[in-house]
Amino acid sequence: VQLQESGPGLVKPSETLSLTCIVSGASINSHYWSWIRQSPGKGLEWIGHIFYTGSTTYNPSLKSRVTISVDRSKNQFFLRLTYVTTADTAVYYCARGARYTQPGDYWGQGTLVAVSS
Amino acid sequence: DIQMTQSPSSLSASVGDGVSLTCRASQGIDNYLNWYQQKPGEAPKLLIYAASSLQSGVPSRFSGSGSGTDFTLTITSLQPEDFATYYCQQSFSTPLTFGGGTRVEIK
Repeated sequence: VQLQESGPGLVKPSETLSLTCIVSGASINSHYWSWIRQSPGKGLEWIGHIFYTGSTTYNPSLKSRVTISVDRSKNQFFLRLTYVTTADTAVYYCARGARYTQPGDYWGQGTLVAVSS
Repeated sequence: DIQMTQSPSSLSASVGDGVSLTCRASQGIDNYLNWYQQKPGEAPKLLIYAASSLQSGVPSRFSGSGSGTDFTLTITSLQPEDFATYYCQQSFSTPLTFGGGTRVEIK
């Protein structure tokens, strides 16, 4: 199982951060699929997940700005974070997990996203 | 949210030493507790899930114990590749939350 994040490394304040997680070696039609971020100031923070049924759960701290979606035909899932600020600068990871192992028994390598004008 | 508190925040040990890292949850989480190892520039790696189950491929010198609010990760006979930061994380309820980490350094 391999996961790979992709997306812009630089986003301007107030704009939208959009990332893709490309999944190989496993079908996205099972398990939980999460986004997690890590910044020096806040450690590891779970952003939210999408269950294979399509049900989503978000961290209340980000809920008003986050959308996680999936494209089953491409075996990919996505993160959209609106109205970003410098506080959203972090390494963003995607991960796959089950009920006990969520957010992840398999993680992507991570992608650094900087928010700056 | 469930708060996860790890102690110590860092420790120094030598190759061959045994160490124990602790994690406390702010409320009972049964055995929904995971341990991760992270090295600089890498993603976290799952070591232990369900408090005491060893993830496939992880060496048997790693073990986990505990239930409810108090948990322990034990590493017997530290190897050079074990020097890293270790995080606990609860999967009992959302939002999933992580501890602040314990950094294991070479003495």
